Parts: sequence; structure tokens; C-alpha cells
Amino acid sequence: AQSVTQLDSQVPVFEEAPVELRCNYSSSVSVYLFWYVQYPNQGLQLLLKYLSGSTLVKGINGFEAEFNKSQTSFHLRKPSVHISDTAEYFCAVGGGADGLTFGKGTHLIIQP
Amino acid sequence: GAVVSQHPSWVICKSGTSVKIECRSLDFQATTMFWYRQFPKQSLMLMATSNEGSKATYEQGVEKDKFLINHASLTLSTLTVTSAHPEDSSFYICSARSSLSPSYGYTFGSGTRLTVV
Repeated sequence: AQSVTQLDSQVPVFEEAPVELRCNYSSSVSVYLFWYVQYPNQGLQLLLKYLSGSTLVKGINGFEAEFNKSQTSFHLRKPSVHISDTAEYFCAVGGGADGLTFGKGTHLIIQP
Repeated sequence: GAVVSQHPSWVICKSGTSVKIECRSLDFQATTMFWYRQFPKQSLMLMATSNEGSKATYEQGVEKDKFLINHASLTLSTLTVTSAHPEDSSFYICSARSSLSPSYGYTFGSGTRLTVV
């Protein structure tokens, strides 16, 4: 069984400040980890994914995440956020032939 | 890159009617497709997994007779909500995966907003 915990349902950040969105997972099999962004009434856009190899993963729009196996975490970071980053962010875990298991999402609010 | 087209993007139907949602992989063969449901301000919940040419596997609590899934070809999967009721109103999103994808990627459609009145 797999599960994902996103510890913060909402994160307010000032524009140009750094941000970290937290994600912890549990899985009994080898994991693949993903971060997706969702804008209102739209589907999901992949920000980045970890499959294997380097634990620091760089994605689109200046985002990056670090896979930490000992802490079972995959936190998402961005050094300087913009108004356009306001959206819902989902962490997800996948493995084997199953669909993804999503966290509950974190609403990132950028304040001017 | 891999693209998944989902139609319609929104639909309003009367209670008791059926609605079909299509999910197409445009530039790759999707051996597996997944259907998710998302209630307002909530996460995505996996409803079912379909493999081309075989019956869909439904998650616990999902009525297979109400949510009919057909995956007749490697590029098309459909979800039919039968005898829809207002509680079926939701955002439905499909996702496709190719077994040939070296990056083990899941590509998502843009979603369908279903409103049952």
C-alpha cells in the first residue's frame, strides 16, 4: 500500500521569497515520486519526477525537489516565487502497474 | 512529448441521463489508462485502471455498473457515467501510460467538469 502526506494544506508566501512544499510518502515497493501543479479548472501539469539516480531533481518553472529515502520525503522547493505560481500542488507516488496515489494538495498563495 | 486529449472539457446533463467522456493518447500508444475523480478543493482519487483489450479494474467503493470504462484501442479509453445523479457532479481526469515509455511517465488529460442538474 502507498500513501502520501502533504503536511500543509495552504502556504502563503510573499512574491520573490523562497518556498518549500512538504511531502512525505510511504510505500512497500520501489517508488516513483512526482509533483504536479493544477490551475483552476484544469488538468495536471507535471513539474518534475524522481525515478532513480540523482536525488536532486530539477523541473520546470524553476522548481526542484530532493528525494530523501531515510526521511521518506520529497519536498518541493523554489528559490523565488512569482504571482503566476499561485496554484494547487500535488505530490504523488507510483510504483508497479498501479495508478498514482496523490496527496491532498497544497494551495500555494503568492502575496504581492 | 506525450499528449492526452480529453473531451468534453465540461458537460451539463439532466439527472438520469448518461454521459460519455473520451480520453485519447495523441502521439503514443497507451497500454494503460487511469480514471480519477476530483471533488472541489480535494485531491484526485483513482477510480479505475483499464488495460487495452481487457476489463477495467475498479477501486474499492467505485460502482462498476455506474462508471463504465471501455479501452477498446491503444489510443482511446472512454468513461460513461450511467444514470447520472447530482452527487456524480465532479471533475473527472484521465491519465495514460505507455509501457514503452522509458521515463515511466503518466500523462494527464485536461479534465472534464461534469454537472448533473
